[in-house]
Amino acid sequence: AQKITQTQPGMFVQEKEAVTLDCTYDTSDPSYGLFWYKQPSSGEMIFLIYQGSYDQQNATEGRYSLNFQKARKSANLVISASQLGDSAMYFCAMRGPTGNQFYFGTGTSLTVIP
Amino acid sequence: DADVTQTPRNRITKTGKRIMLECSQTKGHDRMYWYRQDPGLGLRLIYYSFDVKDINKGEISDGYSVSRQAQAKFSLSLESAIPNQTALYFCATSDLAGGPDAYNEQFFGPGTRLTVL
Repeated sequence: AQKITQTQPGMFVQEKEAVTLDCTYDTSDPSYGLFWYKQPSSGEMIFLIYQGSYDQQNATEGRYSLNFQKARKSANLVISASQLGDSAMYFCAMRGPTGNQFYFGTGTSLTVIP
Repeated sequence: DADVTQTPRNRITKTGKRIMLECSQTKGHDRMYWYRQDPGLGLRLIYYSFDVKDINKGEISDGYSVSRQAQAKFSLSLESAIPNQTALYFCATSDLAGGPDAYNEQFFGPGTRLTVL
């Protein structure tokens, strides 16, 4: 069963605007972690942001924030003030309670338009 | 120097050949993982290891084997490569889970692009 769903294969955003990348997850475990990674065209995986299932507040890291809606099982990534360098693939991932399960979504390709 | 390294970075081989991809890490992490990435499918877990004596199959282990030679080294082998194993392969590491809500980010190597003709 698919654990992570990213429904937006491709997104476009104007430079300096904000963009939301969607992610929904499926788990019955009370303890889990949610991650977002960026993969530029060079191929490396770059960690962006983490949200724990017990965290009361939404995670933020600079221009990145995670809109965590636990009841809806969604963990959307918000990028504010988009830059050309934000053009990349973005992957949502979930870690299970024991750390032996990591599930990745199929990714969203973001293009920032000048 | 990079914390997680993979060799080779690129490899082209022929059907039926045996291939080994190597991963080394200097982060001191116990947990190591091998993934493959295919366009439109994201990353899928092949094998993972929690320590030298612990090897576990992931979602797509058929056609692959692994060896954990030391805490810092985790190798992935394709005993008889086939064209549908053409993909980008990533090694990753993470620290031992420190509790139900431990951070445990995965750190990725740069990837190995494998082409099987």
